[in-house]
Amino acid sequence: DIQMTQSPSSLSASVGDTVTITCRASQAISNYLAWFQQKPGKAPKSLIYAASSLRNGVPSKFSGSGSGTDFTLTITSLQPEDSATYYCQQYDTYPLTFGGGTKVEIK
Amino acid sequence: EVQLVESGGGLVQPGGSLRLSCAASGFTFSGYWMSWIRQAPGEGLGWVANIKRDGGEKYYVDSVKGRFTISRDNAKNSLYLQMNNLRAEDTAVYYCARFRIVVAPNWGYFDSWGQGTLVTVSS
Repeated sequence: DIQMTQSPSSLSASVGDTVTITCRASQAISNYLAWFQQKPGKAPKSLIYAASSLRNGVPSKFSGSGSGTDFTLTITSLQPEDSATYYCQQYDTYPLTFGGGTKVEIK
Repeated sequence: EVQLVESGGGLVQPGGSLRLSCAASGFTFSGYWMSWIRQAPGEGLGWVANIKRDGGEKYYVDSVKGRFTISRDNAKNSLYLQMNNLRAEDTAVYYCARFRIVVAPNWGYFDSWGQGTLVTVSS
């Protein structure tokens, strides 16, 4: 199985900051990567697919990059509503696997 | 608007069975692969199973193979998960999700999610 490792596991940042979350795959997955946002008590929401393609309706403050084994999710101009846990997911190989999540808190 | 509404969760004893349902609306259900994903309390997300548009292909995570069965009824716009021989480690919120194929024939991601239904396996 492909292991997805996210770092950091949590971070705290101020309103207006830019934050970057890293996702590393245990083997190369091309750009077959998606990112999700989950707020407490809510279902996950899809943000990005194909490593860098923004889903319709997702604000451009979210961006993704990477290929192979190393990927990043960047959130600019951080706002209180961005407080959530973010997950990456690979779709190169079954079983489909998620990273462990990165909890983003606002100071 | 895509809507996915899960039902059927509850408390069940170890070794017991439960059938989850997911009612879909707002899109052409028969045109999409569908998925089940679960999340244990306080934990991350874990993919459980996928089913092809016509039900002809199914994929499972190893930990549920032989115990869980994913199925669908396109006439009823419904997705199901039959769970047998349940274990304590199956305790989780189970999400139904629409699976969008990005790389043919069967790789993609979960583009719409239901609100989930809680399954608790305990004596």
